[in-house]
Amino acid sequence: DAKTTQPNSMESNEEEPVHLPCNHSTISGTDYIHWYRQLPSQGPEYVIHGLTSNVNNRMASLAIAEDRKSSTLILHRATLRDAAVYYCILRDQAGANNLFFGTGTRLTVIP
Amino acid sequence: GAGVSQSPSNKVTEKGKDVELRCDPISGHTALYWYRQSLGQGLEFLIYFQGNSAPDKSGLPSDRFSAERTGGSVSTLTIQRTQQEDSAVYLCASSSRIQFPGGIQYFGAGTRLSVL
Repeated sequence: DAKTTQPNSMESNEEEPVHLPCNHSTISGTDYIHWYRQLPSQGPEYVIHGLTSNVNNRMASLAIAEDRKSSTLILHRATLRDAAVYYCILRDQAGANNLFFGTGTRLTVIP
Repeated sequence: GAGVSQSPSNKVTEKGKDVELRCDPISGHTALYWYRQSLGQGLEFLIYFQGNSAPDKSGLPSDRFSAERTGGSVSTLTIQRTQQEDSAVYLCASSSRIQFPGGIQYFGAGTRLSVL
C-alpha cells in the first residue's frame, strides 16, 4: 500500500471546524482512502473512507482532491471527545488486508 | 457485548516467561488481525486470519511469536521467552469480508504487556 504523510500534531478550539490534511502523492487508481482515529487508551476506530468523491457520515466529512494526491478529514464542530490521533490510510482492493498505520496526527481540542 | 473483546487488559510478566493473549472477535466476522503498538508509535501489523485460509504471518517479528485461531472464532497470540522489547499494547481487530476492500476493522481495547 502507498504511504501517506500527515502533520504530527494540530490544535483546534472547541466548537470550531477542524481540517486534518493528508498527502498521498503515490496513490494508485485502486487505492481507497481510509481514516481511523485512536482515542487515549483505546483501540483505533473507523471514521470514514472514500475513493474519488467527497463523503459525509455522522462522524465527519472527507474531501478528496481532484487528482487524489491529497485529502482532508473535516470535523465540523470539534468537541473534547474528538481529541485523538487521526490516521490516514490507503487500502488497495487487491492488496494486503492489514492496515498500515503511520504516526498519524495528534489532535488537541482546546476548551 | 457486540464488540471485540481482549483479555487480559493488562499483563505483567518476567523476562523469559511465556504469555498468552486472547481475542474474541465480533460474531460472524471471518477476518481477524493482530497488531502491536509500542509507546508513542503507530500500529505494527503482526498476523492476519481469514476464514479457513492459511494465516498471513508476514508481520511476526520472530519465531517466539505465534498465533492460533480455533474454530474460526477466538484467537490466541502466544509470545514465548518474553523480552523487554516485547512490552507494548497488543491490539486485535476483526472485520467482515462482505464489506468493501478488507472491510472496516473493529478493534478491541488491547492488552498492555509489560515485561520486567
